[in-house]
Amino acid sequence: QKEVEQDPGPLSVPEGAIVSLNCTYSNSAFQYFMWYRQYSRKGPELLMYTYSSGNKEDGRFTAQVDKSSKYISLFIRDSQPSDSATYLCAMSVTGANSKLTFGKGITLSVRP
Amino acid sequence: KAGVTQTPRYLIKTRGQQVTLSCSPISGHRSVSWYQQTPGQGLQFLFEYFSETQRNKGNFPGRFSGRQFSNSRSEMNVSTLELGDSALYLCASSSAPSSYNEQFFGPGTRLTVL
Repeated sequence: QKEVEQDPGPLSVPEGAIVSLNCTYSNSAFQYFMWYRQYSRKGPELLMYTYSSGNKEDGRFTAQVDKSSKYISLFIRDSQPSDSATYLCAMSVTGANSKLTFGKGITLSVRP
Repeated sequence: KAGVTQTPRYLIKTRGQQVTLSCSPISGHRSVSWYQQTPGQGLQFLFEYFSETQRNKGNFPGRFSGRQFSNSRSEMNVSTLELGDSALYLCASSSAPSSYNEQFFGPGTRLTVL
């Protein structure tokens, strides 16, 4: 079993839809949780960063972490065609020598 | 402030050759991490350098190596290339090790091994 599992996709939604992206993990030592967005031919860019269970909101994006269930989600409200990209979850343990472990990513397409 | 730059952007090599990729971090950033991204395995951590020292290493064979210079620029080397090394190689920089909340990625180097 991989440490981080992400819904494989691809996912296609109409403009204005609410998008839910999900990852599960097996390593209970993970303490930091991130969501990245990657456009074609670009490097990933950090969207959300959190280290506690619960919700964190930033504009149209909400990150949700449930450590008891080892489950994280990213919600995108009022999705736009410009949200079309690959979304990757990532997580790490604490400590200066920690490393990021990524999900495989899901490609989202928002249809106008 | 300029972002993370990687050179070259595209590279084609043949099996058995070696390759060196370069990464220039954001000014003031002293930590550089390298990642390999493939459709099959996703994004995987290779290694991290801080102040010219390797801080952490992922689960890759010894053919993958790196170094960091005193100006924080970093290079990654892959020797005896295999077809499976075809991938997008990404570097990311931050001011301190494992500071993922302020880590920025470069655009990557697309390596194709024939």
